[in-house]
Amino acid sequence: GDSVTQMEGPVTLSEEAFLTINCTYTATGYPSLFWYVQYPGEGLQLLLKATKADDKGSNKGFEATYRKETTSFHLEKGSVQVSDSAVYFCALSGTQGGSEKLVFGKGMKLTVNP
Amino acid sequence: EPEVTQTPSHQVTQMGQEVILRCVPISNHLYFYWYRQILGQKVEFLVSFYNNEISEKSEIFDDQFSVERPDGSNFTLKIRSTKLEDSAMYFCANSMNGGSQETQYFGPGTRLLVL
Repeated sequence: GDSVTQMEGPVTLSEEAFLTINCTYTATGYPSLFWYVQYPGEGLQLLLKATKADDKGSNKGFEATYRKETTSFHLEKGSVQVSDSAVYFCALSGTQGGSEKLVFGKGMKLTVNP
Repeated sequence: EPEVTQTPSHQVTQMGQEVILRCVPISNHLYFYWYRQILGQKVEFLVSFYNNEISEKSEIFDDQFSVERPDGSNFTLKIRSTKLEDSAMYFCANSMNGGSQETQYFGPGTRLLVL
């Protein structure tokens, strides 16, 4: 079945460090890909998404590019801030006949220290 | 920005009891979902719901589970007879248009503990 594999962490970085969170997927067809973020005490929020190959999603300084050839959607940010401390989830949808259900990775907890 | 709300935030119940988890979706959203996350595991899809019908459900969503929109605003998940393994964080989500490319907006979750 469809699945998402991502770095699990936890990861601790200093402010202004470079961030990469790897995400790869296994899916039939051409899924849409998402990064969701969960700040402490809150629900999951969409961070960015890409719906076709070579699309780049970006938001709040974060970027991820849909790479069909490597089945990857790695999240990057050039300079993290303390406020980026959260749990990051990679997810896909749209396989198996266009299903809307999101299939999530396990999530990665990021802590950014000042 | 409109938000999805869920009540209660925490619930503790005895095994075999019924629980109802409630969600108030964003007002013009028509597609509804429930997910759950058992501690330390992945967020898992339970069910999707549109036009007062279940659109899709996972293997987890057995006869002990049901969903409804009783009053056109709230969206509820009922677990008829809870088991220990139902202990998890339950998330409600909704989207305006449905479809696999649409953003799903999540609530903060209800943490259910079955003793």
